[in-house]
Amino acid sequence: AQSVTQLDSHVSVSEGTPVLLRCNYSSSYSPSLFWYVQHPNKGLQLLLKYTSAATLVKGINGFEAEFKKSETSFHLTKPSAHMSDAAEYFCVVRPSSNTGKLIFGQGTTLQVKP
Amino acid sequence: EPEVTQTPSHQVTQMGQEVILRCVPISNHLYFYWYRQILGQKVEFLVSFYNNEISEKSEIFDDQFSVERPDGSNFTLKIRSTKLEDSAMYFCASIAPPSGGPGDTQYFGPGTRLTVL
Repeated sequence: AQSVTQLDSHVSVSEGTPVLLRCNYSSSYSPSLFWYVQHPNKGLQLLLKYTSAATLVKGINGFEAEFKKSETSFHLTKPSAHMSDAAEYFCVVRPSSNTGKLIFGQGTTLQVKP
Repeated sequence: EPEVTQTPSHQVTQMGQEVILRCVPISNHLYFYWYRQILGQKVEFLVSFYNNEISEKSEIFDDQFSVERPDGSNFTLKIRSTKLEDSAMYFCASIAPPSGGPGDTQYFGPGTRLTVL
């Protein structure tokens, strides 16, 4: 069965320091992987996606993620956190092209301290 | 930039009542989805809808649930007789054409928080 595990429910960093949000997935097929962000009272916004092209994916707002098949990981990173990055982050997998269904991780709350 | 919108933002209802949650997908989108997130749990897929019919549904989406695209712009989720466990945040999403590829981006609305008392 396909699943997504976000290893941290809450991450706290200081402004200007690196961000690492961890995600592991389980999929029988070559999946598509996504990171979404949700700011309070806003919809889920796509940060970036992996669809079997380059394994290092660059997204909006300076975020990037690396697909590592051997580790079944898709961790999200940013070199320098900004206060506006504080939000809920979801790692998401679309298990195969036969389904539009997305499978979500449980979310990671990113806190950015001044 | 076009957005998916959802109304109301918060709905409170009594157990056993019917509720209709409304979504307005982005105008040229063709595939539509509902997801829900019970407090403290993962976002879960409910149903996908294309060409005026359900294309896929989860085990959660039982006979108490139905979806409709009544007028070419709105996409609704109806819960016929709400239960306490239906309390959750409900998200609508849509995909732009051409659709069906594995990397298609689903655009999400802000959600409707449903509270069943």
